[in-house]
Amino acid sequence: DAKTTQPNSMESNEEEPVHLPCNHSTISGTDYIHWYRQLPSQGPEYVIHGLTSNVNNRMASLAIAEDRKSSTLILHRATLRDAAVYYCILGSGSARQLTFGSGTQLTVLP
Amino acid sequence: EPEVTQTPSHQVTQMGQEVILRCVPISNHLYFYWYRQILGQKVEFLVSFYNNEISEKSEIFDDQFSVERPDGSNFTLKIRSTKLEDSAMYFCASKGGQGATFWETQYFGPGTRLLVL
Repeated sequence: DAKTTQPNSMESNEEEPVHLPCNHSTISGTDYIHWYRQLPSQGPEYVIHGLTSNVNNRMASLAIAEDRKSSTLILHRATLRDAAVYYCILGSGSARQLTFGSGTQLTVLP
Repeated sequence: EPEVTQTPSHQVTQMGQEVILRCVPISNHLYFYWYRQILGQKVEFLVSFYNNEISEKSEIFDDQFSVERPDGSNFTLKIRSTKLEDSAMYFCASKGGQGATFWETQYFGPGTRLLVL
């Protein structure tokens, strides 16, 4: 699986936007970009995914660079409940497992 | 919203004992997974299961581990002879119907915290 690089930690103030970056310079043409998050003491949960175009859902937006070598997860208004570890994961093909890195620990300050 | 459930939420066992961790995946899902997370470390893949057989397994998933889908709803992970280093949170996940691809969402359960003494 292609490797991703994320900052170890980020901080945000409550109700402000958060931009979580992910570098994936060795991404292949068929790799999807997935974001999952893990709230404290919980299992990972899906946030969003995309291939080439920017994506929006009720939780977040995903901005994908034109060369696909990086992406940014955008939380439009961070809440305290968004404090979690955010994982950027690449993959393609069959229904394979997810390979988790260390992720970014997001702290949301009140 | 459908969810993956796991029992028990916590299990304490003595080294060398057998444990069975249970999972009920989302009902129409066909792909099942076990992951584990040692305290303070990454989530690690253990095994994937489809069509009543193991699809892939990691190096962690040695002969001490086995998985089973004993009936139409449960998916179990058995550790035959637990070691201290098996202490971790174990997550079950499921996804997709027939022909599911990577991009389909995996749904994770809340985990079972296993402590081996």
